[in-house]
Amino acid sequence: NAGVTQTPKFQVLKTGQSMTLQCAQDMNHEYMSWYRQDPGMGLRLIHYSVGAGITDQGEVPNGYNVSRSTTEDFPLRLLSAAPSQTSVYFCASSYLGQDSYEQYFGPGTRLTVT
Amino acid sequence: RKEVEQDPGPFNVPEGATVAFNCTYSNSASQSFFWYRQDCRKEPKLLMSVYSSGNEDGRFTAQLNRASQYISLLIRDSKLSDSATYLCACGAGSYQLTFGKGTKLSVIP
Repeated sequence: NAGVTQTPKFQVLKTGQSMTLQCAQDMNHEYMSWYRQDPGMGLRLIHYSVGAGITDQGEVPNGYNVSRSTTEDFPLRLLSAAPSQTSVYFCASSYLGQDSYEQYFGPGTRLTVT
Repeated sequence: RKEVEQDPGPFNVPEGATVAFNCTYSNSASQSFFWYRQDCRKEPKLLMSVYSSGNEDGRFTAQLNRASQYISLLIRDSKLSDSATYLCACGAGSYQLTFGKGTKLSVIP
C-alpha cells in the first residue's frame, strides 16, 4: 500500500492564483482531512470528510474548498491564493467508527504564496 | 484555554538520559489518545497509542491519567535518533483528533 500520497511536494504561487492540492489514499479509509501547519500554531484542521459526497469545515476553512467524489481522493482547492496561506499542508486519513482512530498523514505540500 | 496543551520545549538531553513529556487535555469526554513523532520537514507519524492501563513499546512508555486529564510519554536510554518533535493527540469518541502543538526533543551526544 502506498498509504496517503500528496502532490505536489512544493509549490510557489503568486497572490490571486488558484490551485488544487491533491490527496489520495489506498487504505479504504472513510475519514479524510486537511491540515495546515505553521510555526508555533500546530496542526489546524481546514476541512474534513466522513465519506464520498460528505464534507465539512474545520477550524480554518476560509479561502479553501474541498470535494470528495470518491473514497480515495480528497483534493483541496485554493480559490485565490494569499500570502497568509503560505504553509505546509498535510492530508490525513483514518477509519471511521465510534472511537477516534489514529490518523495517517501524507508527506505534505510546502506552499509559498508571494 | 487550548484543548490540548504541551510544553513546547526544547528539551535538550544527553544520550542515555530518560526524558518525560506531559500533555494535558481539557475535554473530559476524550477517549482515544495517541503520541506522534514528527521529524524536521516531515509528516507526523504514529509513535504509539495510549491505553488506559498504560503501555510500553521498547524504550517508550505511555500513560494516561484520567483524573488529572493528562497523558505522558517516557523515553528511556535516549538515542540521537530520538531527536524530533512529539505531538500528542486526543479524540472524544468522534472521528476527529485534536493535536497538541508538540514538544521538541534534542538528544545531544
